[in-house]
Amino acid sequence: QQPVQSPQAVILREGEDAVINCSSSKALYSVHWYRQKHGEAPVFLMILLKGGEQKGHDKISASFNEKKQQSSLYLTASQLSYSGTYFCGTEYVPSGSARQLTFGSGTQLTVLP
Amino acid sequence: GAVVSQHPSWVICKSGTSVKIECRSLDFQATTMFWYRQFPKQSLMLMATSNEGSKATYEQGVEKDKFLINHASLTLSTLTVTSAHPEDSSFYICSARVLDNQPQHFGDGTRLSIL
Repeated sequence: QQPVQSPQAVILREGEDAVINCSSSKALYSVHWYRQKHGEAPVFLMILLKGGEQKGHDKISASFNEKKQQSSLYLTASQLSYSGTYFCGTEYVPSGSARQLTFGSGTQLTVLP
Repeated sequence: GAVVSQHPSWVICKSGTSVKIECRSLDFQATTMFWYRQFPKQSLMLMATSNEGSKATYEQGVEKDKFLINHASLTLSTLTVTSAHPEDSSFYICSARVLDNQPQHFGDGTRLSIL
């Protein structure tokens, strides 16, 4: 079951902040975040494995609320290079089969000068 | 580190042709590789999960005989689109992972166009 991402699209000016949300109707084992630029492969940003976990590097960070089955990606003081489509990938509580990611529909982020 | 090479980058061929796409992990051994399909402005849809030395696990609705996957070694998986037709045209992306709880690293994708 595909996780739900919001918003679908966001346009901001360089230096502004953005939040992208990812929610699931099923219990989550982990959440992965990727950014994809047009015509290119997705690039790994970070993985959150435990409820309550928060991670970040540079000005991009994320949190994982296991109880609410949600994750949020925070982009602070956005740069032009942040433009792209952001996908969350969710792993559900293992059912015995190999763990795999189910990707959300994506959030298109455009940073303007 | 964690580089995945996918080849070819793009291919254009006639209907009825079979096309093979290679996915290699260059600097790590991947216990699991994944094959995705992506239509324009849409999400990545998992086609199959491949473990070295065993049969691939296909997602519901993906034809096993149409999309042949071979994972011959810990660094190489191949996807063969057999008797391709225009509706098979898409962007195919592979990814590789060392272990559970670790990220998937993606290849650059293959844009397949069937005339």
